[in-house]
Amino acid sequence: EPEVTQTPSHQVTQMGQEVILRCVPISNHLYFYWYRQILGQKVEFLVSFYNNEISEKSEIFDDQFSVERPDGSNFTLKIRSTKLEDSAMYFCASSEFRGTDTQYFGPGTRLTVL
Amino acid sequence: TQLLEQSPQFLSIQEGENLTVYCNSSSVFSSLQWYRQEPGEGPVLLVTVVTGGEVKKLKRLTFQFGDARKDSSLHITAAQTGDTGLYLCAGVGGAQKLVFGQGTRLTINP
Repeated sequence: EPEVTQTPSHQVTQMGQEVILRCVPISNHLYFYWYRQILGQKVEFLVSFYNNEISEKSEIFDDQFSVERPDGSNFTLKIRSTKLEDSAMYFCASSEFRGTDTQYFGPGTRLTVL
Repeated sequence: TQLLEQSPQFLSIQEGENLTVYCNSSSVFSSLQWYRQEPGEGPVLLVTVVTGGEVKKLKRLTFQFGDARKDSSLHITAAQTGDTGLYLCAGVGGAQKLVFGQGTRLTINP
């Protein structure tokens, strides 16, 4: 069964460093998403991406964040200068269509900023 | 701002009992999805409900979408220890983003 994959599973970085989180969405899906979940809190939407551009972003997704689909399979989230409060699980998701279509989640990357 | 409130947040019952988890909002959602999440893992989809009043069954799990598409419920019949986990509801709000509830942590005791 097709699934969303994410690497690395755990990333530890120093405050102020740049990190890139990688995702491989399900191959025939067209819409891609990033969410984050701070320990003990709700899953929060960060950004959606379609046709090589951002469709929607939340207020969390400020200038330190960027997303890219560098080739036909990968979807990345870059955090330019990490802060302690960026420590969280980051989930990638994809869906075949927009709107009511179901989103399938990857296993997540646990980011720890020291 | 669209919000989803789940209740109860914690539920601990004995194996064999029935339970219902609720997901409520003052906003209308075009669809609603239920996920189950294990510690340290991503949400795993259980079901998507789209039509107001829709009822979907997945073995002992019954999902219902409210007529006004503002609320949903998950009912488990004859709970088993394997049902233990965190259950999340999420509504499609805005263009594509999911708005998540805070989750219901379910513990089924043998």
